[in-house]
Amino acid sequence: SDVLIQPPSVSVAPRQTARIPCGGFNSGTKSVHWYQQKPGQAPVLVVFDDNGRPSGIPDRFSASNSGNTATLTISRVEAGDEADYFCLVWDSSSDQFVFGSGTTVTVL
Amino acid sequence: EVQLVESGGGLVQPGGSLRLSCAASGFSVTTNSMNWVRQAPGQGLEWVSLIDTSGNSYYADSVKGRFTISRDTSKSTVDLQLNSLSPEDTAVYYCARGPEVGSYFDYWGQGILVTVSS
Repeated sequence: SDVLIQPPSVSVAPRQTARIPCGGFNSGTKSVHWYQQKPGQAPVLVVFDDNGRPSGIPDRFSASNSGNTATLTISRVEAGDEADYFCLVWDSSSDQFVFGSGTTVTVL
Repeated sequence: EVQLVESGGGLVQPGGSLRLSCAASGFSVTTNSMNWVRQAPGQGLEWVSLIDTSGNSYYADSVKGRFTISRDTSKSTVDLQLNSLSPEDTAVYYCARGPEVGSYFDYWGQGILVTVSS
């Protein structure tokens, strides 16, 4: 099954752009979903189906999926964006979901 | 309003069993897939199991043969039976709703802690 690799950490200054890659797909056609998790809280969906945005999620959150890497982009980063971010895909070859290893975003 | 509330967690000895329950409200568990996801202390998220709208079940390799997912449509609950537990199963277990198999999880419970220790 897929093993989804994310960098352990990303640091970004306020109002700059953070990019979080998620790589290791077996196929570039899989839909990728992204979650934000703050300490002590359940994960929150921030992007679904590659680039969809749930109601209430600011348009500063966007994503792309090409080749065998997906990328979550957080524009105009704010202090409140500090959190762990995880990608998620469904591996149809094994009928299992796979989460990325997770990336901690630190706002400098 | 969609709500998911987990219960049944606690401390259990290695080799023991535990049954987690997820009470769903605001939607039907028969028209959505339901998932369990866990997170070991200080670690990332790990998908555990899924039951689809037809009642078919899916499992992560790490729990296959030890965990069993089920649902009670009359009570609107989804349970996870955990058997042959080891310290590596220690985690916060989340219940999460998915519109369909292979789709994203749009609602999550608050999580319940399972600790496997002697």
